[in-house]
Amino acid sequence: DTAVSQTPKYLVTQMGNDKSIKCEQNLGHDTMYWYKQDSKKFLKIMFSYNNKELIINETVPNRFSPKSPDKAHLNLHINSLELGDSAVYFCASSQVEDSSGANVLTFGAGSRLTVL
Amino acid sequence: AQSVTQLGSHVSVSEGALVLLRCNYSSSVPPYLFWYVQYPNQGLQLLLKYTSAATLVKGINGFEAEFKKSETSFHLTKPSAHMSDAAEYFCAVAYYNQGGKLIFGQGTELSVKP
Repeated sequence: DTAVSQTPKYLVTQMGNDKSIKCEQNLGHDTMYWYKQDSKKFLKIMFSYNNKELIINETVPNRFSPKSPDKAHLNLHINSLELGDSAVYFCASSQVEDSSGANVLTFGAGSRLTVL
Repeated sequence: AQSVTQLGSHVSVSEGALVLLRCNYSSSVPPYLFWYVQYPNQGLQLLLKYTSAATLVKGINGFEAEFKKSETSFHLTKPSAHMSDAAEYFCAVAYYNQGGKLIFGQGTELSVKP
């Protein structure tokens, strides 16, 4: 039973199109994230939601719009796709550890987006 | 500025040899520290974490890391490499009250030769 699941796993599309990636977690976590991994494997946070409320937005272009219908789901919609959007997008979820205050993230398997 | 540096984008060891992957952080306050592993075409899996308890942290698959505040380091080690350890390894930091935001290093690709 997958803890953090993303769909689709692969997405190939043309420049200018609009696409969505969906994410669901069954861990009961309060916080969910989107990370982008570029072609050099560098990982950077894009967004974070806590109980459906946006708490982190890391200067991502307005063409990217996250939506969280409930705390178990965080979707990513991308408008007017550009070549530079090609990357692997990872969804993650976390819960604060009571003893330390640290969030430990559980990642999905990733969604590889290729823009032609 | 808060940042993480992993020395060496690629490390190659022989099977059975010591694995040492280096990680240094830059911040005025000690962070939470993590090592994640990414196998080809997969997501990231937590290897181990440091959250201000014991400075020597043991993780899965025989890996361990030691937090050294004086050196601002959190290097990852494994006494004896196995072929199945070949993967990309990421060091990451997080800070209290930042909503769990992870700042990742550039990653180190570990190759294991037979």
